[in-house]
Amino acid sequence: ETGVTQTPRHLVMGMTNKKSLKCEQHLGHNAMYWYKQSAKKPLELMFVYSLEERVENNSVPSRFSPECPNSSHLFLHLHTLQPEDSALYLCASRERAYNSPLHFGNGTRLTVT
Amino acid sequence: AQSVTQLGSHVSVSEGALVLLRCNYSSSVPPYLFWYVQYPNQGLQLLLKYTSAATLVKGINGFEAEFKKSETSFHLTKPSAHMSDAAEYFCAVSDTGGSYIPTFGRGTSLIVHP
Repeated sequence: ETGVTQTPRHLVMGMTNKKSLKCEQHLGHNAMYWYKQSAKKPLELMFVYSLEERVENNSVPSRFSPECPNSSHLFLHLHTLQPEDSALYLCASRERAYNSPLHFGNGTRLTVT
Repeated sequence: AQSVTQLGSHVSVSEGALVLLRCNYSSSVPPYLFWYVQYPNQGLQLLLKYTSAATLVKGINGFEAEFKKSETSFHLTKPSAHMSDAAEYFCAVSDTGGSYIPTFGRGTSLIVHP
């Protein structure tokens, strides 16, 4: 029971498909994050939502679109992806404080064919 | 600006041997430091954190880390490795000088041999 739930756990999609990843946190946190984890590469921060700021990594392609309807839910909308987008996508949440650790979900393993 | 360096992308030890995973950070202000562990097909899980209360921090599963300001280090240790410790370990830093967003190291894969 991690407190952060991601669905689906696995997703296979073609390059012309549109799909969404969902993340839900039950910890009462006020900041949520999307990370991309590819083999042999560092953990890559994609998007952050918190009460006062939305931070985007400018290198994230526009085919990834985040949505945060409330403090408990976070989505990542995917469209016209490329094979190099295949990776583990991790959602995390935390209290918006410098000494607060991140709480991660178990991720969605995405394969783009 | 803050940064984290984890020396060694892979560390291999025998079961029962000492585990030492290295982490050095760069920060212009007092940092908050974290170690996370990631088992296969799972997300990252907090092992321990340093928030200035004590320089030696004890975490879960018998791990501990020591904050050394003079060396800007926060190395992770465990006296005796178990097979179940085989995983990816990440060091992260957060400081009050910049964004609330923590910075992660590239990770170290711990391999435990029987």
